[in-house]
Amino acid sequence: GAVVSQHPSRVICKSGTSVKIECRSLDFQATTMFWYRQFPKQSLMLMATSNEGSKATYEQGVEKDKFLINHASLTLSTLTVTSAHPEDSSFYICSASTSGGGTQYFGPGTRLLVL
Amino acid sequence: AQSVTQPDIHITVSEGASLELRCNYSYGATPYLFWYVQSPGQGLQLLLKYFSGDTLVQGIKGFEAEFKRSQSSFNLRKPSVHWSDAAEYFCAVGAPSGGGADGLTFGKGTHLIIQP
Repeated sequence: GAVVSQHPSRVICKSGTSVKIECRSLDFQATTMFWYRQFPKQSLMLMATSNEGSKATYEQGVEKDKFLINHASLTLSTLTVTSAHPEDSSFYICSASTSGGGTQYFGPGTRLLVL
Repeated sequence: AQSVTQPDIHITVSEGASLELRCNYSYGATPYLFWYVQSPGQGLQLLLKYFSGDTLVQGIKGFEAEFKRSQSSFNLRKPSVHWSDAAEYFCAVGAPSGGGADGLTFGKGTHLIIQP
């Protein structure tokens, strides 16, 4: 139980294009989903928190117009990297939790490479 | 602000030997505490968690961790490591009042190397 999937697992795009990453909770309803970013050999940094049907809450320093987050249902959240640049290349990981659950379940991550 | 410190960037252990990975946190109250493991290029797998109660927590794959309030620590242990334990280990804290609604703060991770 508590499986979270991400799609795609890796994506290569040209600079200036937009990329959408999907995060799905497969066997539970996720009231809250989180998006993290991980640079090579570094820790995970929280980017934003999203609740189903509400606007996402972004961490300080994260551009909300660049990283668009949509949490349209209790099982799906999407992260769109708009006008991607090489510095956006990173490993993006989502997680999901249930209301009152306290535990986050992580997806396998999406590796983005912007050329 | 909360923070998590994993003082060891790399640890090398012989297969079959015991293991202890250190984690210290800074938080206003007792947070929710987690240990996750990440294999290369993979997402995070939850090893164990502490919310309240018994301070010695058992997890998957033979891991355990002990919460010590006086030391603000949550060290991870395993009595006998296997080659498959080689991975990156992350300690994380979360707000106890968040009920799963708050993001986690992660340490920088400890890279575990297993020697044959």
